[in-house]
Amino acid sequence: DGGITQSPKYLFRKEGQNVTLSCEQNLNHDAMYWYRQDPGQGLRLIYYSQIVNDFQKGDIAEGYSVSREKKESFPLTVTSAQKNPTAFYLCASSLGQASNIQYFGAGTRLSVL
Amino acid sequence: AQSVTQLDSQVPVFEEAPVELRCNYSSSVSVYLFWYVQYPNQGLQLLLKYLSGSTLVKSINGFEAEFNKSQTSFHLRKPSVHISDTAEYFCAVSVISGGYNKLIFGAGTRLAVHP
Repeated sequence: DGGITQSPKYLFRKEGQNVTLSCEQNLNHDAMYWYRQDPGQGLRLIYYSQIVNDFQKGDIAEGYSVSREKKESFPLTVTSAQKNPTAFYLCASSLGQASNIQYFGAGTRLSVL
Repeated sequence: AQSVTQLDSQVPVFEEAPVELRCNYSSSVSVYLFWYVQYPNQGLQLLLKYLSGSTLVKSINGFEAEFNKSQTSFHLRKPSVHISDTAEYFCAVSVISGGYNKLIFGAGTRLAVHP
């Protein structure tokens, strides 16, 4: 089955800890994205990557970091600098930078202990 | 700046009744429009899209949306809803930003279908 796999489904972070959310896709898509979803606010773009070894900040990148070493993988690290990390995190991919259609994973819910 | 406004945060409706979820966007350039659906604790699924051509687009499960350029709207409708339609619905617009197609989302409308 082709798709986007996010893991873990639930994640807990302690104060001062960095945590990494995994996103893997087997759709052969070039572009990948990370969004944060908070109740009543829709989705906001954290980072995006159009090709391997390249990524750009989105609208709310502070306190987050990413890497894109492989086409299939786009992990997101929530650093200790992110003071309000509790949210639902969604990864998406699209065929390329010119593609309008994004496909989403099932999400990771991050909570602070 | 482009933005998407979903006018209702929650829409309660009885089963088999019609429903309309409203979406307005602001953009001075050509846009591509989408409706995504999110079931509890799941990711977003593409419900339907307007890229070009006919302004009325339909999904396989009975939803439809009409692109109205003069009113900058893309309202979602279904003539008869089912319990299984209970979900959150997001309207989104795709615009070119920094050389790539950026999706801008509305805040979402929670559709609650009651028996």
